[in-house]
Amino acid sequence: EAGVAQSPRYKIIEKRQSVAFWCNPISGHATLYWYQQILGQGPKLLIQFQNNGVVDDSQLPKDRFSAERLKGVDSTLKIQPAKLEDSAVYLCASSLILSGNTEAFFGQGTRLTVV
Amino acid sequence: GIQVEQSPPDLILQEGANSTLRCNFSDSVNNLQWFHQNPWGQLINLFYIPSGTKQNGRLSATTVATERYSLLYISSSQTTDSGVYFCAVEQRSNYQLIWGAGTKLIIKP
Repeated sequence: EAGVAQSPRYKIIEKRQSVAFWCNPISGHATLYWYQQILGQGPKLLIQFQNNGVVDDSQLPKDRFSAERLKGVDSTLKIQPAKLEDSAVYLCASSLILSGNTEAFFGQGTRLTVV
Repeated sequence: GIQVEQSPPDLILQEGANSTLRCNFSDSVNNLQWFHQNPWGQLINLFYIPSGTKQNGRLSATTVATERYSLLYISSSQTTDSGVYFCAVEQRSNYQLIWGAGTKLIIKP
C-alpha cells in the first residue's frame, strides 16, 4: 500500500514570495490533514478536510494561507506572501475513519525555508 | 481542550539500555498513537493503541484509558532509536490529534 506522498521535499524562497505544497493521501482515506511543525515543537494542525469539505481551519492564518482538496483526493496548501516565521516543515497526513479505525499516517513532509 | 504531557522531555542512554516513556492526558479520548520522528523529520507510526498492550519487536506500548496514561517501552536500545517520540491523542468531538511536546531520545554507541 502506497503511503502519503508529498512534494516538494525542500523549498527555499524569499519573504513575500508565494509557495505551494502538494499532498496525495493514501488511497481511500477520506480525511486529510495539513500540519505545520516548527523545529523543536510538535505538529500544529492547520486544516482538516473530510472528503472535499473543511472540518476545521481555525488555526490556518487565512490572510496568507489557503488550502483546497478538489475531488476529495489530492490537496494543495499555498502560502502567499511568505514570512520568515513560516519556515517550518509542512506535514500532510491522512486517515480512513471507518469502523472506528482513525489511525493517521504521515507523509515525509516539505521543509520550507523563508529567507 | 485536552492537555497531553510527555515525560521525560529528554533522555540520553547507552546502547543496549531499556527505557520507558510516559504520556498523560487530561480527558477521555477516542484513541492514542505513538510516533517516532527520525532525524530526517519523518513521522513513523509506532502504535495505534486506545487501550491494552501491544508489542512490535523491541518496542511495546500500554494504554490505561481509565487512568489516562500510556507508556512506551523500548528494550535493548539501538542508535537508530534516536529521535523524538510523540504521543498524540484523538479528541472525541472531531477526531483531531492533540500532541504532546515529545521526548527527545539520544542513544549513544
